[in-house]
Amino acid sequence: QTVVTQEPSFSVSPGGTVTLTCGLSSGSVSTSYYPSWYQQTPGQAPRTLIYSTNTRSSGVPDRFSGSILGNKAALTITGAQADDESDYYCVLYMGSVVFGGGTKLTVL
Amino acid sequence: EVQLVESGGGLVQPGGSLRLSCAASGFTFSDHYMDWVRQAPGKGLEWVGRTRNKANSYTTEYAASVKGRFTISRDDSKNSLYLQMNSLKTEDTAVYYCARMSSGWTYYFDYWGQGTLVTVSS
Repeated sequence: QTVVTQEPSFSVSPGGTVTLTCGLSSGSVSTSYYPSWYQQTPGQAPRTLIYSTNTRSSGVPDRFSGSILGNKAALTITGAQADDESDYYCVLYMGSVVFGGGTKLTVL
Repeated sequence: EVQLVESGGGLVQPGGSLRLSCAASGFTFSDHYMDWVRQAPGKGLEWVGRTRNKANSYTTEYAASVKGRFTISRDDSKNSLYLQMNSLKTEDTAVYYCARMSSGWTYYFDYWGQGTLVTVSS
């Protein structure tokens, strides 16, 4: 069974840039997997950030961007702010939906 | 405005059953695939299953962890999604979210409910 992998945790300084990745335990992520990204703060429902690799959902600031970097999908936050401190999940569509394990981002 | 509101969560004993509901509004419910996603305490998001729309014969699919125990259904006349959970285990304890799958060939969740907590414990 293929597992979707994400960094368990990451930290970034306020104003800094961070790139979170979403890979596969076997194989490469491509646009054919329609990567999407979700942000979740404790006690809240997920919020959709990015879909189809690099399309921002309505209302999402342009400091969030998505891409394919090498063999992984990537979420880049440019100019990180304190309220970006959240859990971030990627989803790949492989015939069915598969969530990554999530990345806990700390802004400090 | 699109809204998804889950209900029906609560405390249930292992081996018991529970039925969750998700009331949808603000969009043409019958057009969309609808999914259930859960999150155990302190853990990540886990896809539970999906019901497709009428055009796709309301077919369903499930995660291996719930297949044979959970059943997803919908009533388009009531704009409602359901999750019947049987033979519940302690590891089914989680917040359960309903989520709308986007239309078109984009395969992402564009709207989420606020979730309902299911606790399986004796």
